[in-house]
Amino acid sequence: DAGITQSPRHKVTETGTPVTLRCHQTENHRYMYWYRQDPGHGLRLIHYSYGVKDTDKGEVSDGYSVSRSKTEDFLLTLESATSSQTSVYFCASSAGRETGELFFGEGSRLTVL
Amino acid sequence: SQQGEEDPQALSIQEGENATMNCSYKTSINNLQWYRQNSGRGLVHLILIRSNEREKHSGRLRVTLDTSKKSSSLLITASRAADTASYFCATVWNTGFQKLVFGTGTRLLVSP
Repeated sequence: DAGITQSPRHKVTETGTPVTLRCHQTENHRYMYWYRQDPGHGLRLIHYSYGVKDTDKGEVSDGYSVSRSKTEDFLLTLESATSSQTSVYFCASSAGRETGELFFGEGSRLTVL
Repeated sequence: SQQGEEDPQALSIQEGENATMNCSYKTSINNLQWYRQNSGRGLVHLILIRSNEREKHSGRLRVTLDTSKKSSSLLITASRAADTASYFCATVWNTGFQKLVFGTGTRLLVSP
């Protein structure tokens, strides 16, 4: 299995504070993704990256930004956390477009009070 | 919504029985994938079926795809308690960058 680690795994924060979630992969995968998982919504794509410094928005990108300065690291930042951003966040990576298989991290549970 | 829709939302069976989950989607796809998620864990890829394929097998898993009906099914034969998990279908659209769009999942409970 691809080595994907997320940190922190759990975080409680207050409304209005910035939060950064980190994703690190050891497989040299080109593509990386951030999803959020909420009851009744499945997984929704927030942002994705198709290379170092190449990122694009997903379907629920408002209030989030990302950065990818190295192949192995993909950061998700909540600029000013809101209660609606309470969720479980998953990072994933894939080797290329043709395979299609995504490898997921274990998730980061974020609670915004 | 651009998601796939799984049916049923929840399924409860006994060990040894077969479990069938269905997925319907809305757009033209390149491929369709199924993932499993154990409680509190990340998703794990199970199987991928391309748009020009109609059926695929992997161990106790059988996936079918009907592009004319925009639907897929996942069959788990001889279920085990360890199969208890949520199962998600995910579609890869036929245009643009490869983004997986996930459905809302089926929760499967296999009782001993």
